[in-house]
Amino acid sequence: DAKTTQPPSMDCAEGRAANLPCNHSTISGNEYVYWYRQIHSQGPQYIIHGLKNNETNEMASLIITEDRKSSTLILPHATLRDTAVYYCIVRVTYSGGGADGLTFGKGTHLIIQP
Amino acid sequence: KAGVTQTPRYLIKTRGQQVTLSCSPISGHRSVSWYQQTPGQGLQFLFEYFSETQRNKGNFPGRFSGRQFSNSRSEMNVSTLELGDSALYLCASSLRQGAGNTIYFGEGSWLTVV
Repeated sequence: DAKTTQPPSMDCAEGRAANLPCNHSTISGNEYVYWYRQIHSQGPQYIIHGLKNNETNEMASLIITEDRKSSTLILPHATLRDTAVYYCIVRVTYSGGGADGLTFGKGTHLIIQP
Repeated sequence: KAGVTQTPRYLIKTRGQQVTLSCSPISGHRSVSWYQQTPGQGLQFLFEYFSETQRNKGNFPGRFSGRQFSNSRSEMNVSTLELGDSALYLCASSLRQGAGNTIYFGEGSWLTVV
């Protein structure tokens, strides 16, 4: 089972920041948080991932709370092309650095409104 | 830089047949994993290969198998196809195995079993 909880759907106005929440209260200290998105019938697109610190790249920012029990993905200026299902994933990790495959939940369907 | 390439993109098979899907990872990537996506079960991890060895396996029957070649290219095989095997099969690659690695997905192979 997925170790994350996300709202099933969200709306955001075009041009505004989209803030997608994710709860992962059972996360372990060495487990990473990954974010992917999937547009219908395409392969998942990598967005960002992090362990403890906030991360930013050209697509988005990832804000992880200090206790690591939740995180927020921020798309700073949403466009219509950002409409997709967004998946927050905690990758189960083993001692020695090994890890499970990604466990996808149902994600959040983000709809950008014109 | 080319992304993860999967062939064929679309195929139709008859129940009881077998199928082989191919995946070329991003140049330099040595870890390849496979996922199945269906409307009912969502995205599920099948297995991961690194250095020609299966490192992780999801909860799928033995009819699903795979292998990795010395050039990191991978194939997955499904034998004795069932109607429920109709799905989008996704290949993903990363530089190395384990936590913290960025994982990139291909566009997938659509399999229809009739």
